[in-house]
Amino acid sequence: DADVTQTPRNRITKTGKRIMLECSQTKGHDRMYWYRQDPGLGLRLIYYSFDVKDINKGEISDGYSVSRQAQAKFSLSLESAIPNQTALYFCATSGTGSEAFFGQGTRLTVV
Amino acid sequence: GENVEQHPSTLSVQEGDSAVIKCTYSDSASNYFPWYKQELGKRPQLIIDIRSNVGEKKDQRIAVTLNKTAKHFSLHITETQPEDSAVYFCAASRGGFKTIFGAGTRLFVKA
Repeated sequence: DADVTQTPRNRITKTGKRIMLECSQTKGHDRMYWYRQDPGLGLRLIYYSFDVKDINKGEISDGYSVSRQAQAKFSLSLESAIPNQTALYFCATSGTGSEAFFGQGTRLTVV
Repeated sequence: GENVEQHPSTLSVQEGDSAVIKCTYSDSASNYFPWYKQELGKRPQLIIDIRSNVGEKKDQRIAVTLNKTAKHFSLHITETQPEDSAVYFCAASRGGFKTIFGAGTRLFVKA
């Protein structure tokens, strides 16, 4: 099945460490997104990319960076993790139909 | 910047009753309004969407209405069932680009 896959699914890291969350998709979509989910705050957009040469900041990009290595791969990095970046992170893709397809999510805990 | 407000944050209904969730958006250029359902521990998934050229859309027990003048759109679930219990997110975008989500509504359907 064509899908959106995130790795790792769960991660505990220490304050100040660099961490990368990876996302790959087999849907053939050009558009890819990273969202952060916190209780009561919904899904907030961190970064988005409309093709491999296009990277855009979302609502809450501070403290994060991304890399679009290929059409199918979009990685999110936390250069120096801090506890308030503890959250559930979702990668998503969309095609011409506009519907967003989400990965399974990565639960990140920064201690 | 763009904003989507969603109410209520929590909704509890008796099985068989109707549930209504309301959203407002700020970007008047938005033309695509999806609704996503997120079951506990799962990824959000599209349940219904509406585009700006129509005022209402139905799919079995689910309907969405859109008032572009007022920048309001709503999700209506009739004859609710326990399996409708989940978090529901509204969203708005320009043709699927840079989708902005509401904060979510946690729906409880009591048997």
